[in-house]
Amino acid sequence: GENVEQHPSTLSVQEGDSAVIKCTYSDSASNYFPWYKQELGKRPQLIIDIRSNVGEKKDQRIAVTLNKTAKHFSLHITETQPEDSAVYFCAASEGSYIPTFGRGTSLIVHP
Amino acid sequence: DAGVIQSPRHEVTEMGQEVTLRCKPISGHDYLFWYRQTMMRGLELLIYFNNNVPIDDSGMPEDRFSAKMPNASFSTLKIQPSEPRDSAVYFCASSRGVLAKNIQYFGAGTRLSVL
Repeated sequence: GENVEQHPSTLSVQEGDSAVIKCTYSDSASNYFPWYKQELGKRPQLIIDIRSNVGEKKDQRIAVTLNKTAKHFSLHITETQPEDSAVYFCAASEGSYIPTFGRGTSLIVHP
Repeated sequence: DAGVIQSPRHEVTEMGQEVTLRCKPISGHDYLFWYRQTMMRGLELLIYFNNNVPIDDSGMPEDRFSAKMPNASFSTLKIQPSEPRDSAVYFCASSRGVLAKNIQYFGAGTRLSVL
């Protein structure tokens, strides 16, 4: 089955800095890569996703990149703000199959 | 739609007691998932259903855990007997597969404390 590794487990940045979270996956058949954000005490929610036919996708301050050859994908947050503080989960799946989640990255943005 | 609804939000019980967690998925979603979240293990998939049928329960930790989905709008996760190491946040999620990319919509979670 699929195995998703996520790094780092904790990331601390100053407000305004950029943050990058990286994930690797094992199954070359995986072609859908969502990212979920979980604020403290809240539920995980999808914030952005990317398909394997696209190398990069942006949504305001958030971007995801995908390298299919190396089987890794990353979440980039620019101009971080305190409200970006949360746990971020990456996931990978083949088409509509059940996604496999990474362990999560706790992002702390210091004002 | 009100989203995925879980109850109770918080449950405190004593070791050995039976615990039942409840979930109402989003109407029209054909997949339902139960997850357990702890600091040590992150987000673990326990079991999932497709069209009310359990598909994969390999994540269920042991026989003390059981899950049912008697109809498309209701599922339960039961722990009997409960143990302190079961303390965690349990999430239910639902999704619409195939063309919908299986995007997971999570409930608010049930925080379980077993004393």
